[in-house]
Amino acid sequence: NAGVTQTPKFQVLKTGQSMTLQCAQDMNHEYMSWYRQDPGMGLRLIHYSVGAGITDQGEVPNGYNVSRSTTEDFPLRLLSAAPSQTSVYFCASSYSFQGGGANVLTFGAGSRLTVL
Amino acid sequence: TQLLEQSPQFLSIQEGENLTVYCNSSSVFSSLQWYRQEPGEGPVLLVTVVTGGEVKKLKRLTFQFGDARKDSSLHITAAQPGDTGLYLCAGVGGGSNYKLTFGKGTLLTVNP
Repeated sequence: NAGVTQTPKFQVLKTGQSMTLQCAQDMNHEYMSWYRQDPGMGLRLIHYSVGAGITDQGEVPNGYNVSRSTTEDFPLRLLSAAPSQTSVYFCASSYSFQGGGANVLTFGAGSRLTVL
Repeated sequence: TQLLEQSPQFLSIQEGENLTVYCNSSSVFSSLQWYRQEPGEGPVLLVTVVTGGEVKKLKRLTFQFGDARKDSSLHITAAQPGDTGLYLCAGVGGGSNYKLTFGKGTLLTVNP
């Protein structure tokens, strides 16, 4: 059971380049999300999805796109990278988000992105 | 936007000492979670508290949810170097039962 798998683990981009951070989970979780973690800022929600074909914006969505074509995959796209997007990105999924159940997240190991 | 304030932001103690980390908000949360994150890894869930006044114990860690469900605390007894890490609280609320709001974390270092 691999859990949540993120690739790549490290990436360096130049300003204006595009890339996709991949996230896959094998737990049949309905809920998936992307966070960025910056020093002194904690974890901030970028986008999330409550099921295949359904996505919504989080707290800091600008500059990022997502799609959810399958239950397993939730890629995060940077269309034109900026230095302000230098961060560590975490994908997380959850088995329960409805009916009052606590949304307990399983996180990937993170992707460290540097934009020059 | 619901905010969770964690304190202290940094904590460095000696092995064997006790410590308490606080997570406070002016908003009510339907549930609150505590995660621990080690360098180079993603956060890992420690506990979820749901009922106001609830107390949960995990070995030397004691978690409490405030009666009004606006705050929580994490108490570690006889800290060990293996407890070193970033402790994050996260709350579910604001009309949503799935969008988690995270505090900024408490970085704990336990020196041998």
